Amino acid sequence: ETGVTQSPTHLIKTRGQQVTLRCSSQSGHNTVSWYQQALGQGPQFIFQYYREEENGRGNFPPRFSGLQFPNYSSELNVNALELDDSALYLCASSLWLAGDTDTQYFGPGTRLTVL
Amino acid sequence: AQRVTQPEKLLSVFKGAPVELKCNYSYSGSPELFWYVQYSRQRLQLLLRHISRESIKGFTADLNKGETSFHLKKPFAQEEDSAMYYCALMDAGNMLTFGGGTRLMVKP
Repeated sequence: ETGVTQSPTHLIKTRGQQVTLRCSSQSGHNTVSWYQQALGQGPQFIFQYYREEENGRGNFPPRFSGLQFPNYSSELNVNALELDDSALYLCASSLWLAGDTDTQYFGPGTRLTVL
Repeated sequence: AQRVTQPEKLLSVFKGAPVELKCNYSYSGSPELFWYVQYSRQRLQLLLRHISRESIKGFTADLNKGETSFHLKKPFAQEEDSAMYYCALMDAGNMLTFGGGTRLMVKP
């Protein structure tokens, strides 16, 4: 059983650019959640994907978008990057069954720096 | 909207001393609460989940619905417990809300 993996590890972009971050779920999991963790703060929920559809969204603008693929891997896309988007982006996978919840398991994160 | 508060950003104790990391929450439904830990240069990992009522690495946490708290406790701190600790609440939609975290430093 493999854990959650994310790529790339680090990324440097400039304001206005677009970025795509990738996440592979833990084996057997069907749900992927993305979080943004600014320096010195706890992770903040961006959105969640279940069965390839967005299943919930936090307080983030539409320029944050995502995808989930049939193999349950996922992408986070951010358009028109701003300096405040500099953060650690965490992906977490879980097995969500109707009427139940499951622990979310986190990847190592992608450190995004916007200059 | 739900909220999780960890009032202490830093907690420093000596090895062998008791530890209590505070967590308070606000949520209109029935909460499901977690403690996650992040050791230096490692990923965020689950420490314990209130529903399982397990004790992991000597840590325990009791959900107090009256005080809306889920404090993490350990009777005797070890140096290897030094890490960032995050309290988190899961809502009915399977989404986690995290507190700001507490850095625990255990001094020799």
